Amino acid sequence: EPEVTQTPSHQVTQMGQEVILRCVPISNHLYFYWYRQILGQKVEFLVSFYNNEISEKSEIFDDQFSVERPDGSNFTLKIRSTKLEDSAMYFCASSPGAWNQPQHFGDGTRLSIL
Amino acid sequence: GEDVEQSLFLSVREGDSSVINCTYTDSSSTYLYWYKQEPGAGLQLLTYIFSNMDMKQDQRLTVLLNKKDKHLSLRIADTQTGDSAIYFCAEKNQGGKLIFGQGTELSVKP
Repeated sequence: EPEVTQTPSHQVTQMGQEVILRCVPISNHLYFYWYRQILGQKVEFLVSFYNNEISEKSEIFDDQFSVERPDGSNFTLKIRSTKLEDSAMYFCASSPGAWNQPQHFGDGTRLSIL
Repeated sequence: GEDVEQSLFLSVREGDSSVINCTYTDSSSTYLYWYKQEPGAGLQLLTYIFSNMDMKQDQRLTVLLNKKDKHLSLRIADTQTGDSAIYFCAEKNQGGKLIFGQGTELSVKP
């Protein structure tokens, strides 16, 4: 069964550095998402992306964050000038459509900011 | 605002049924989902229900939706030790994003 793949599985970065989290969504999917889960807290929506632009973003997704689909297969989340509170598990998801089809998640990237 | 709540823990004996409950606030939710997370793994889609249905059965899984009370439940029949995991309820809002509960940790004792 096709899967969403995320790399790396664990990223350790110094505070203030930039980090890029990578995702390869399922190949025929059109909608892409990033979520994050801070340890002990709920999974939170960050951003959705369709047709090469952001469709919706949460208030967490400020100017520090950006997303890109640089080619036909990858979907990236860039975090500039990382802060300690950015430490979390980041999940990528994709779906064929926004409304009547479920989102499929990758295994996540654990981001640790030191 | 939009919110989804679940109890944090459930412990059952192997072979019993498990019922995991969830409440949500957004009456305009289109779909409701159950995801399973095993240790160190991602969110695995288990099942989902459209908001105009009240029940869906899929092998050992039964989803019940009470739209009036905004209550969703997941019943796992004949629970096995391999079912031990965290179960997340999520609602999809009109914009397409998922709003998750905090997850219910299911512990299955032999």
